[in-house]
Amino acid sequence: EAGVVQSPRYKIIEKKQPVAFWCNPISGHNTLYWYRQNLGQGPELLIRYENEEAVDDSQLPKDRFSAERLKGVDSTLKIQPAELGDSAVYLCASRGQGADTQYFGPGTRLTVL
Amino acid sequence: GENVEQHPSTLSVQEGDSAVIKCTYSDSASNYFPWYKQELGKRPQLIIDIRSNVGEKKDQRIAVTLNKTAKHFSLHITETQPEDSAVYFCAASMDTGRRALTFGSGTRLQVQP
Repeated sequence: EAGVVQSPRYKIIEKKQPVAFWCNPISGHNTLYWYRQNLGQGPELLIRYENEEAVDDSQLPKDRFSAERLKGVDSTLKIQPAELGDSAVYLCASRGQGADTQYFGPGTRLTVL
Repeated sequence: GENVEQHPSTLSVQEGDSAVIKCTYSDSASNYFPWYKQELGKRPQLIIDIRSNVGEKKDQRIAVTLNKTAKHFSLHITETQPEDSAVYFCAASMDTGRRALTFGSGTRLQVQP
């Protein structure tokens, strides 16, 4: 079974530029999470989807961040415009219905110059 | 919201020794406590988890204990090996994992051969 897939793995951009990250969860997993992991810290939730519905986005900086999960499968996280403080690893995770375990993708390491 | 504190931040042991990492949580409604191992540049991977209706769980050299009254849980690794070297994160969640995970700040474990 393929795990959670994310792309790109690395992204370097200038500040004020837009950037987008893509996540393909494990097949059949209806819950999808986006986390941000700053260097030396644990992941922190940005947004949680149940199918195509964003059910917890209280931690998402909505002035510059947006996310979508069309058709309840793949998801895209966008930042526009990026700021220096957005440099981090953006992790996607998914969980199957009725299960406890969240499975993480390899993450996208974003560097904003 | 939930707050998870993790100690120590770094831990160095000799190969074959035991390692113990401790976490405390703030919200008594939390009922699911996973532990993730993250190697450098890799995705977090679940190594063991425990629900609040269980006091202890063991899987080969790894065990987790939970004290609901004191709101703390611990990871125990026995007979440590160099490949155990990584960053370990504890986490807490409500609704047995349906909600997002709140992570501790991580413990960098180094096993000296």
